[in-house]
Amino acid sequence: KQEVTQIPAALSVPEGENLVLNCSFTDSAIYNLQWFRQDPGKGLTSLLLIQSSQREQTSGRLNASLDKSSGRSTLYIAASQPGDSATYLCAFKAAGNKLTFGGGTRVLVKP
Amino acid sequence: GAGVSQSPSNKVTEKGKDVELRCDPISGHTALYWYRQSLGQGLEFLIYFQGNSAPDKSGLPSDRFSAERTGGSVSTLTIQRTQQEDSAVYLCASGLSGATYNEQFFGPGTRLTVL
Repeated sequence: KQEVTQIPAALSVPEGENLVLNCSFTDSAIYNLQWFRQDPGKGLTSLLLIQSSQREQTSGRLNASLDKSSGRSTLYIAASQPGDSATYLCAFKAAGNKLTFGGGTRVLVKP
Repeated sequence: GAGVSQSPSNKVTEKGKDVELRCDPISGHTALYWYRQSLGQGLEFLIYFQGNSAPDKSGLPSDRFSAERTGGSVSTLTIQRTQQEDSAVYLCASGLSGATYNEQFFGPGTRLTVL
């Protein structure tokens, strides 16, 4: 069974620190990996999409890397702000076109 | 432009009743997905529609769950004879197509509570 693990489950940092969120998956035959943000009581906002042929994607303060051979992706958020507080979810797409999600990392950035 | 919309945003029902949840995908998106987010199970896939192809129903947890997509646009997820374990947030997503490289864009979800 395909599995996605996100470590840590929760993270609290002071404002200004860089955030490092980890995602590991067991199926190396993925098509792409997507990082999402979820605010309490809200849906999912897509942050970055990395195709299987790519090693990383960047958007503003966000950078996501992908290493298929080791089954890992890392989301970096530079110079964190209180507004970055949310739950971050990674998900990969493999055969069948559905997304398989990790359990998420709950982030709190303290002012 | 308009994103994925879902209605209702919240639904409270009694055990044994049927419920219908609606999803309006982004205009022009041919791929539509339903997921469920519950405390114990995280986010799990339910069903996938792509154009006029037969839907992938492999994630539906029981035959009480069904979904349809009319005219290739709006989708309705129906849960018959609801049980308390059906309580969850039901999320809909759409994509430009079912192609492997395409992103999925999510709606705000419908929070279902079964009493």
